[in-house]
Amino acid sequence: AQKVTQAQTEISVVEKEDVTLDCVYETRDTTYYLFWYKQPPSGELVFLIRRNSFDEQNEISGRYSWNFQKSTSSFNFTITASQVVDSAVYFCALSEMNTGNQFYFGTGTSLTVIP
Amino acid sequence: DTEVTQTPKHLVMGMTNKKSLKCEQHMGHRAMYWYKQKAKKPPELMFVYSYEKLSINESVPSRFSPECPNSSLLNLHLHALQPEDSALYLCASSPGTSSYNEQFFGPGTRLTVL
Repeated sequence: AQKVTQAQTEISVVEKEDVTLDCVYETRDTTYYLFWYKQPPSGELVFLIRRNSFDEQNEISGRYSWNFQKSTSSFNFTITASQVVDSAVYFCALSEMNTGNQFYFGTGTSLTVIP
Repeated sequence: DTEVTQTPKHLVMGMTNKKSLKCEQHMGHRAMYWYKQKAKKPPELMFVYSYEKLSINESVPSRFSPECPNSSLLNLHLHALQPEDSALYLCASSPGTSSYNEQFFGPGTRLTVL
């Protein structure tokens, strides 16, 4: 079974629009970690954020914000006032205490920001 | 130095060739990883080295042979590959082997097997 689901395969927005990327996860562990990575066309995955299962506080970093809700097993990512440089594939990932440093990646959401 | 470097950036090889991919990090990380990524797919874990010992081998064919000469270096030796092995090969490292460690990725090697 897929542990991380990113239902949005591709999203296109016009520059300056806000966009939310969805991530739904599944785990039986009580201790787990969620991550978001950005993969621009150059190929390198860039780490954006880590959240642990005991911290449901939302986080904001500049134009980026994350909403973690254990009740719905979701860890959504919002980009405010999108820019062309935000065009990339975004991956959500899960790691579990019981499986250590093994990441379960979602299938990714390809975001295109149109100027 | 907060990056993972990979060489070469691009590699084209025939099915009878032997080649190696190289990965290096100088962040003092104790875990290093090889991933394979096909177009429009997420990275797939191939190997994990923890403290220079192979700890995870995700049923990868023997034509891929990893090597960790020291804590900063990770190699992937390639021999008798198939065209379906063409992909982006990503190296990553993390400070430790715990589930809370984020992984830092290199830019990848784009491999084409003819």
